[in-house]
Amino acid sequence: GNSVTQMEGPVTLSEEAFLTINCTYTATGYPSLFWYVQYPGEGLQLLLKATKADDKGSNKGFEATYRKETTSFHLEKGSVQVSDSAVYFCAPGGTSYGKLTFGQGTILTVHP
Amino acid sequence: DTGVSQDPRHKITKRGQNVTFRCDPISEHNRLYWYRQTLGQGPEFLTYFQNEAQLEKSRLLSDRFSAERPKGSFSTLEIQRTEQGDSAMYLCASSRAGTGATEAFFGQGTRLTVV
Repeated sequence: GNSVTQMEGPVTLSEEAFLTINCTYTATGYPSLFWYVQYPGEGLQLLLKATKADDKGSNKGFEATYRKETTSFHLEKGSVQVSDSAVYFCAPGGTSYGKLTFGQGTILTVHP
Repeated sequence: DTGVSQDPRHKITKRGQNVTFRCDPISEHNRLYWYRQTLGQGPEFLTYFQNEAQLEKSRLLSDRFSAERPKGSFSTLEIQRTEQGDSAMYLCASSRAGTGATEAFFGQGTRLTVV
């Protein structure tokens, strides 16, 4: 089955800093790749996705590029805000019916 | 579209008791998943339904766990003879059928505490 190695946290940044959260995976075939986010007190929600090699997913200023050759899907944002403080999960999807395999999550805290 | 709804949000039970959780998916979604999340970890897959058919069960799902999705709508997850190790957040998600992985929408979860 799939597996995910996600950058360990917690990550603490000042507002407007650059963010990178690394994610590498092993999978059978070429799965869709997802980043989910969990804000304090809320449920998991999709942040962005990419469905094939070299695709770039983007949302809310976050970006991640599907790199087949390095089996990576690193999350980046050029200028973080306090409101980005949350837990971020990298997750490859199964190639058949969408079962997700989550990384352990990276806690991001952004200070003013 | 009210999203994925889970009930109850919190459950405290004594060891050895049975508990049942309910999940109401988004109405037009025919895929339904259950995950379990413990503190500091990512969610772990438990089981998957396509309409009313349970198509995959994780090895994490011991004989004490059973899930149903009658009529392909809401789903229930029952844990019999609960143990302290069952304490976790139980998450339900739903998605549309499609080629490969489509976006899954998650409920807010049921937090189970076994004392």
